[in-house]
Amino acid sequence: DAGVIQSPRHEVTEMGQEVTLRCKPISGHNSLFWYRQTMMRGLELLIYFNNNVPIDDSGMPEDRFSAKMPNASFSTLKIQPSEPRDSAVYFCASSWPGQGSTEAFFGQGTRLTVV
Amino acid sequence: AQSVSQHNHHVILSEAASLELGCNYSYGGTVNLFWYVQYPGQHLQLLLKYFSGDPLVKGIKGFEAEFIKSKFSFNLRKPSVQWSDTAEYFCAVYMNRDDKIIFGKGTRLHILP
Repeated sequence: DAGVIQSPRHEVTEMGQEVTLRCKPISGHNSLFWYRQTMMRGLELLIYFNNNVPIDDSGMPEDRFSAKMPNASFSTLKIQPSEPRDSAVYFCASSWPGQGSTEAFFGQGTRLTVV
Repeated sequence: AQSVSQHNHHVILSEAASLELGCNYSYGGTVNLFWYVQYPGQHLQLLLKYFSGDPLVKGIKGFEAEFIKSKFSFNLRKPSVQWSDTAEYFCAVYMNRDDKIIFGKGTRLHILP
């Protein structure tokens, strides 16, 4: 398996624009997590899905952020409108607790810069 | 509230020094415990994990961690660090009842050559 795949790897956008980050989890994994990493706040859990259903979105900073998982092999994180303080590295991770191994496998991340 | 605390935000050591990074969690249910490492510019990678059995687990690159259930702790250790261990280390806890993983805020480890 190629692992968790995120795209794009880097995104530079202007304030006010819509940004969409994409994630393809490892095939067969049924849990998917979106994290945001900044110097100031460290690694923050934004939202996680189980079997394509959002379970906990309490970490989503505000209404400008939304996430979807239309099927087991794809998820998006959208920011509309984007602001400079959204600049961060966004990681997607997946896991399969049912396999007896609950570790999360991380993608390479998307480095977002909002200017 | 569920949380994972890493005591040290930034640790600086010389090569060959011994390392111990603290991690405590607050959760009363069944847990699985992890340490992840993030090398500069890279994504998080699993260093070691505890599910059950021997509370002393050994991971890659000479790292080990001990689960002390009574203290809700899972400290990471290495007897002799190397310059290549410079990275950020994250403790993570999988909470069985809630089926989610929570990470600590990380500890930046800087090894002086």
